[in-house]
Amino acid sequence: DTEVTQTPKHLVMGMTNKKSLKCEQHMGHRAMYWYKQKAKKPPELMFVYSYEKLSINESVPSRFSPECPNSSLLNLHLHALQPEDSALYLCASSQEGVAGDEQYFGPGTRLTVT
Amino acid sequence: ILNVEQSPQSLHVQEGDSTNFTCSFPSSNFYALHWYRWETAKSPEALFVMTLNGDEKKKGRISATLNTKEGYSYLYIKGSQPEDSATYLCAFNFGNEKLTFGTGTRLTIIP
Repeated sequence: DTEVTQTPKHLVMGMTNKKSLKCEQHMGHRAMYWYKQKAKKPPELMFVYSYEKLSINESVPSRFSPECPNSSLLNLHLHALQPEDSALYLCASSQEGVAGDEQYFGPGTRLTVT
Repeated sequence: ILNVEQSPQSLHVQEGDSTNFTCSFPSSNFYALHWYRWETAKSPEALFVMTLNGDEKKKGRISATLNTKEGYSYLYIKGSQPEDSATYLCAFNFGNEKLTFGTGTRLTIIP
C-alpha cells in the first residue's frame, strides 16, 4: 500500500468554526508533512513530524494546530481561520524524514473559509 | 530565499512528439533535487530524486538530468502520450527534509 489518504476531500467552514483535517498512511513511514497550496502557486511546507515529534514549524499561525497521534496518522486542527486561509492542504509522508527521502503525497483537502 | 524557476510555464505538445523543460536554480548548495508529476485532482507523484552533478535518471519514456555547475535540471518526455498531461514540479532539499518547490510547468498533450 503506497497510498496516503486525506479526509475530507472538500471542506467549507466559517471563520468561527473548529474543524480538523486528517491524513493516514500505512507504509511504515516515520515522517509526515503538511503543505499548503494556494491557487497558481507551488506547495509550501507548514509542518513536519518526525518519529511523532514536531521537527519543523514554518512559522505557521497558531490557528493551525498539528497533531500526530501515532506514526500513521496526522491531523491538522483548524480554528478561527481567515478567508485567505482558503487553499489546498496536502499531506505527505516519507521513510525517515531526511533530505533526499522521496515524499508520498495525498490528494489534498480543498478548504474554503467563508 | 532561493528562487527556483521552471520554464516554460505552460506547454502544448502534439501527441507522439518529444519535449523537454527546465528547472533552474542559482546555487548548487542543496542536498537533493526532486521531480514530481501532478495530474489534476490526483496526488503529486514522485518521478526522480537526484543528488550529484551529472546524475541521469530514467523511468520509461521520461528521463531527467542534473547539472549543478550551471544550475539546471532538464526533464525529457519521449513520444508524448495524452496521459503525460500534468503539471511537472521540481523541488529541492536544502540540507533538511523540507521541500522547496519550483513554479511548475503545465504540460498539455494534444491528441
